[in-house]
Amino acid sequence: EDQVTQSPEALRLQEGESSSLNCSYTVSGLRGLFWYRQDPGKGPEFLFTLYSAGEEKEKERLKATLTKKESFLHITAPKPEDSATYLCAVGSVGTSYGKLTFGQGTILTVHP
Amino acid sequence: GAGVSQSPRYKVAKRGQDVALRCDPISGHVSLFWYQQALGQGPEFLTYFQNEAQLDKSGLPSDRFFAERPEGSVSTLKIQRTQQEDSAVYLCASSLEPGDEQYFGPGTRLTVT
Repeated sequence: EDQVTQSPEALRLQEGESSSLNCSYTVSGLRGLFWYRQDPGKGPEFLFTLYSAGEEKEKERLKATLTKKESFLHITAPKPEDSATYLCAVGSVGTSYGKLTFGQGTILTVHP
Repeated sequence: GAGVSQSPRYKVAKRGQDVALRCDPISGHVSLFWYQQALGQGPEFLTYFQNEAQLDKSGLPSDRFFAERPEGSVSTLKIQRTQQEDSAVYLCASSLEPGDEQYFGPGTRLTVT
């Protein structure tokens, strides 16, 4: 059974204070690892897909990296508008169509 | 362009009532998913459609849950005889092709009283 665990559950940062969110996963065969951002009362917003160990992707202040067992979402010099819940999910080769298994999320709060 | 839309955004049902939740995916997207999200948790898979075919319904919690996508575009998730434990946000997502990144709608928050 695919499993995803995110840590920490909640993270409070000062504006400009860089940090990382962790996503540990267990999957029979990784089809892809996905990062989403979710604001209160809204659906998850797609950020990145990573497919193989060593892959990195960047978008503004966010950088996602992938190893064989975990992924990190690095946030550089965050701003208050980066405050949200960040969700990690895996797709397994066991399903051809991309069913996702999500972690519980990390609630990020950035104080001005 | 238009994203995934869902209606209603909020639904309050009395225990035992039937409800129907609608999803309009992004035009041309082959794959459509339904997820259930409890407060403070990540979304959990309910069911998957490829065009009009329901290929996986392994996540549906009970036979009170039923989903359809008759013409391969709009989908409806129906819950019969609602129970308090059905209270959650129901999210719909679509992807262009199977395995692609999924784009989510805003969700329907269902409260069963």
